[in-house]
Amino acid sequence: DQQVKQNSPSLSVQEGRISILNCDYTNSMFDYFLWYKKYPAEGPTFLISISSIKDKNEDGRFTVFLNKSAKHLSLHIVPSQPGDSAVYFCAARAAGNKLTFGGGTRVLVKP
Amino acid sequence: DTAVSQTPKYLVTQMGNDKSIKCEQNLGHDTMYWYKQDSKKFLKIMFSYNNKELIINETVPNRFSPKSPDKAHLNLHINSLELGDSAVYFCASSHGGALAKNIQYFGAGTRLSVL
Repeated sequence: DQQVKQNSPSLSVQEGRISILNCDYTNSMFDYFLWYKKYPAEGPTFLISISSIKDKNEDGRFTVFLNKSAKHLSLHIVPSQPGDSAVYFCAARAAGNKLTFGGGTRVLVKP
Repeated sequence: DTAVSQTPKYLVTQMGNDKSIKCEQNLGHDTMYWYKQDSKKFLKIMFSYNNKELIINETVPNRFSPKSPDKAHLNLHINSLELGDSAVYFCASSHGGALAKNIQYFGAGTRLSVL
């Protein structure tokens, strides 16, 4: 039973435009949410996170929004750059510091 | 000066063999993890150790045995390899504790192919 879902397997966006990645979860006990970025043949690297008590966190071009009532979070990348082309994973933390990952969204930024 | 390093990067072996994957971190973290990324690309936690003590043990066949000689190392030993064990295995580490942000740092992965 998937507790964290990324329903869009892929996303294509023009350079300079906004990329919006979505993530839904079912477990209301998750207390922290993270986004990871992954290039081919590399491990996931941490991008940005948000606590469940907040609704927005911004770091440069990256902003994560959390809607707890809808159990939904999104990652906005603006402006998108070709180097942002990668697979993005949403992850949620439960007790015991355990992370549950979504299936990933492949982003392609076209020059 | 790689933060989390795994060896080997690629591992090709026959069914029934026993193999090990090694992981080391130099970040001073006290918690280490093993994840499996299957053919559908889902990353799933297998094990977690905190200061050499097992704290997370998901539903993983007992052919898989993690071993942590010290808090900087977490090795994964797999007995009697099966075709379904073919996957990419990622090691990760983080600070532990309930107040930690638990930002996990990942190794580059080990691609295991069982023939």
